[in-house]
Amino acid sequence: KNQVEQSPQSLIILEGKNCTLQCNYTVSPFSNLRWYKQDTGRGPVSLTIMTFSENTKSNGRYTATLDADTKQSSLHITASQLSDSASYICVVSASSNSGYALNFGKGTSLLVTP
Amino acid sequence: GAVVSQHPSWVICKSGTSVKIECRSLDFQATTMFWYRQFPKQSLMLMATSNEGSKATYEQGVEKDKFLINHASLTLSTLTVTSAHPEDSSFYICSARFPRGHNEQFFGPGTRLTVL
Repeated sequence: KNQVEQSPQSLIILEGKNCTLQCNYTVSPFSNLRWYKQDTGRGPVSLTIMTFSENTKSNGRYTATLDADTKQSSLHITASQLSDSASYICVVSASSNSGYALNFGKGTSLLVTP
Repeated sequence: GAVVSQHPSWVICKSGTSVKIECRSLDFQATTMFWYRQFPKQSLMLMATSNEGSKATYEQGVEKDKFLINHASLTLSTLTVTSAHPEDSSFYICSARFPRGHNEQFFGPGTRLTVL
């Protein structure tokens, strides 16, 4: 069964600090992995997308890593800001005969405090 | 970047009434759109896949007669919640598949439905 597990479930950090969110998956056959940011009451917004051959990808203060061998990914946030408070969702895409299926993690809820 | 809009952003209705939610891809054509439901502190759950010009494909456990989906054009899909009940109250999010690249889905801002 395709699964995406994220940790921690929630996290509180001080403004300016760094943090790392984890994503482990058992999705197969793997197509790509994406990290989304979802603000409360809003739809998810894509941060990064990585394919099998990519190990790291950055988007401003967000840096995602992917280890396809161990099926693990991380999202590192540098110099956190109050506006980073949101849910961060790891989504792994599996390819199939009928197309691509997205497998969603439950998300990590991040709160950045002053 | 690709933009997907939803309307309305929130709606409150009485039990037994029907509610229509629109999903539009504003700057690209999407042959495939998706409808998700999200309960508080839960992940997005796929309800159905909407294909332009054909019937939607519903996920197991989703009643197709209750959640009517119409994908009449390459930029518009609608979800109608028929005879809504309080348990249908949720956050409904649509996404549209970008036609090139990694088949990326771009999500709408969501619609908060509250059934009284």
